[in-house]
Amino acid sequence: DAGITQSPRHKVTETGTPVTLRCHQTENHRYMYWYRQDPGHGLRLIHYSYGVKDTDKGEVSDGYSVSRSKTEDFLLTLESATSSQTSVYFCAISDRTGPSGNTIYFGEGSWLTVV
Amino acid sequence: KNQVEQSPQSLIILEGKNCTLQCNYTVSPFSNLRWYKQDTGRGPVSLTIMTFSENTKSNGRYTATLDADTKQSSLHITASQLSDSASYICVVSASGGSYIPTFGRGTSLIVHP
Repeated sequence: DAGITQSPRHKVTETGTPVTLRCHQTENHRYMYWYRQDPGHGLRLIHYSYGVKDTDKGEVSDGYSVSRSKTEDFLLTLESATSSQTSVYFCAISDRTGPSGNTIYFGEGSWLTVV
Repeated sequence: KNQVEQSPQSLIILEGKNCTLQCNYTVSPFSNLRWYKQDTGRGPVSLTIMTFSENTKSNGRYTATLDADTKQSSLHITASQLSDSASYICVVSASGGSYIPTFGRGTSLIVHP
């Protein structure tokens, strides 16, 4: 298994509160991603990073921000959580080098419930 | 716009039977196609990767095929087991500067004893 750790794994929070999810990798991969997965929608990209301090928006970025101050850590922040952000969040990493370049490896997920 | 369509959306089969899942894509220029297996409550795990020059790739009882001309792929599962119950996701990457792959919505497979 790829060395990806997500924390917390489960969280219940109240509407309007800030929430930060952390993704930590030990593979030294350049690219890191945050996805959310909801029934009927599959995996949707929130934000991604292509290097330290280099991030960009995905298709469902509204209400989310990210930061990457070190290669191994990628943080996802919900500034003011809403019920529509109740979801399962997956961190992923990839590296474009080698014959299997661009394989995406996923973490185990963080279950967030906003009440 | 790059798109990946999977069919069927869900499938129920009996243990020991074979099944085939489909993936059609419009991603261009094509680089590679991956099939992932996602068990309930877990993150997706890569099963196979296929590049433009490959048309068949096996991983145990899983065999993926690729027709780059028609932009279609299939995942065939032989002699299904209860542990094959999962969601199977097709992911296609483009060549060039993009490192954002395109995901299908997945096929939910249930294997009954």
